[in-house]
Amino acid sequence: GAGVSQTPSNKVTEKGKYVELRCDPISGHTALYWYRQSLGQGPEFLIYFQGTGAADDSGLPNDRFFAVRPEGSVSTLKIQRTERGDSAVYLCASSLGVLAGGNTGELFFGEGSRLTVL
Amino acid sequence: QKEVEQNSGPLSVPEGAIASLNCTYSDRGSQSFFWYRQYSGKSPELIMFIYSNGDKEDGRFTAQLNKASQYVSLLIRDSQPSDSATYLCAVNPHYGGSQGNLIFGKGTKLSVKP
Repeated sequence: GAGVSQTPSNKVTEKGKYVELRCDPISGHTALYWYRQSLGQGPEFLIYFQGTGAADDSGLPNDRFFAVRPEGSVSTLKIQRTERGDSAVYLCASSLGVLAGGNTGELFFGEGSRLTVL
Repeated sequence: QKEVEQNSGPLSVPEGAIASLNCTYSDRGSQSFFWYRQYSGKSPELIMFIYSNGDKEDGRFTAQLNKASQYVSLLIRDSQPSDSATYLCAVNPHYGGSQGNLIFGKGTKLSVKP
């Protein structure tokens, strides 16, 4: 697609429930990133995929958070047993993945999925 | 812990003035540096990137990098009310040809008064 697409744009859930957030990156982008942004804060890195594999998952806060990218394109961020502290905007970004051929290293962001845990 | 520090503001400037936004980073080996603009309720969008020491100009925007001081800045000349947004400094701490993730600062909120 023309840009990074994220669904749902808004999700309200109850504490303890399971949530899935979906990201469809820009066509041809091999790298995909998940960030979390709380009010008044900058984006906080969660996980980065290069192709199908997680190249860096050091930002995942605990084992309730998991992400997959089975075919190297669409990714799903999964949150189990949601807590009120998980409430935030979850941003997905994609990039060309390799610093060559004029790639600036720019990340292109989607509009985000706003998660509210009641 | 690799960190990117910004003054959260708000920074208020009159229309037509120069807005100066500053950022410091902790990882001396960082290779590339980005300024993103984020309007309220919207996603970040790239304004400038810079790799080399010195100044880089693009229209009303100038990015300045001093690797020895681990300092990046963004100057906005002839500020307009439409420049009112949060400006995020981001650093790629990875070496060589690796893309890797970006580390973001908390952002500086800029308000340009008509």
